[in-house]
Parts: sequence; structure tokens; C-alpha cells
Amino acid sequence: DQQVKQNSPSLSVQEGRISILNCDYTNSMFDYFLWYKKYPAEGPTFLISISSIKDKNEDGRFTVFLNKSAKHLSLHIVPSQPGDSAVYFCAATNENSGNTPLVFGKGTRLSVIA
Amino acid sequence: EAGVAQSPRYKIIEKRQSVAFWCNPISGHATLYWYQQILGQGPKLLIQFQNNGVVDDSQLPKDRFSAERLKGVDSTLKIQPAKLEDSAVYLCASTPGTSGGPTYEQYFGPGTRLTVT
Repeated sequence: DQQVKQNSPSLSVQEGRISILNCDYTNSMFDYFLWYKKYPAEGPTFLISISSIKDKNEDGRFTVFLNKSAKHLSLHIVPSQPGDSAVYFCAATNENSGNTPLVFGKGTRLSVIA
Repeated sequence: EAGVAQSPRYKIIEKRQSVAFWCNPISGHATLYWYQQILGQGPKLLIQFQNNGVVDDSQLPKDRFSAERLKGVDSTLKIQPAKLEDSAVYLCASTPGTSGGPTYEQYFGPGTRLTVT
């Protein structure tokens, strides 16, 4: 059973527009969420994170929103740029468990069209 | 600062053969992870080390997979014998993570793409 779900395998967006990537989770013990970006032939790189005590975290063009009641988070990229084209993974963990493995979704491939 | 290093980058073997992967984490990082990423899936944790001790190996298929982290620095992951379903990218990651604290931002290596034929 998938504890972290990214139901859109792919997304295409025009350059300059907003990209919205969605992620749902089922485990109510998760209290820390991360987004990773992955280019081909490279390892994932950390992008942005959010703790469950917040509902929004912003870093430049990237904003993550968390809706705990819906067990849903989203990543907004504004404005989208061609260099943002990559696979984006949502990940979740329990910050207070001490041993905190990340649980990843399947990823969403974003294509930003110039 | 040098990133996480992995080798080889690519490996093709026949089923029932053995293979080993090597990882050198970022200097000073106490926590090291091995993940398996099958095509179309997200990374799945295989094993987590804190220094040279195993913290979590609950998802490691121990009948064929083994891993060690001697001296708490480099790590090797071995598969013996390999099966077709082991074809995947094997990612190594590290964090400063002291005392098994919060994982936060894991730093990933480029991965080793294994093809089992």
C-alpha cells in the first residue's frame, strides 16, 4: 500500500505560468514533508520542505502548501522555467520517531514548454 | 564540498551473478542510506546506517542483499545472487544526522543503474 501518492505521472506547463504538483498521504503519523527534484542520470536533490506545524513554506519561486485535514500537500512553482523540467518526488517522514526514513511517492514528471 | 560519490554508474549482469556497489558519503555525515528505485517508482529505503551501526534494515531482502559500512564512512551494498527484478537504480544518500535525529535533507549520489538479464 502506498503511503505517499502522486497521482499525476506527468504535467506540462507553459513557461512563465504556474506549475502545481500534488501529493496525498495516508499515514497520519507523518509530520514532515519534503519535495525532491530529479534530473535524468542524477540523484534527487532537496528542493523545499514543510513541517506539520505550518501550512505554507516559501522559498523564492517555490511554495509548498500543507492541508493536514485533507492529508494533502502541493508544490507551486511560479513562474515556471524550462530548467524546472524534471521529475518531482514528494516524501514524508515522522520527525519525532528518532529513526526517520523517508517514504517517497512515485514522482511527477514536469515539462515546462518554452 | 564534495557530494556523495557512487560507483560504478552502470552495471549489467546476468541473473544469478553477484554484484557490489560502493558509496562514499559527504565527509562528516554520520547517517547513510541505500535506496532502490525501480523504473516508474519512487526510491525505497533498503538500509540505514548510523555511523557503522544498522538503524533500519527492515526492507532489505536479506537472503540476497547485504550491506556494510566499515569504520563508519564508505559503504558497500552487495546482491548475491541477482534476480531479474533487482534491475533498478541503487541510490546512496547521507545526512549529518547525529543520534538518529531528524532526517531532513538527505543528499543523494548519482546512483548505480543495474540491469539484470
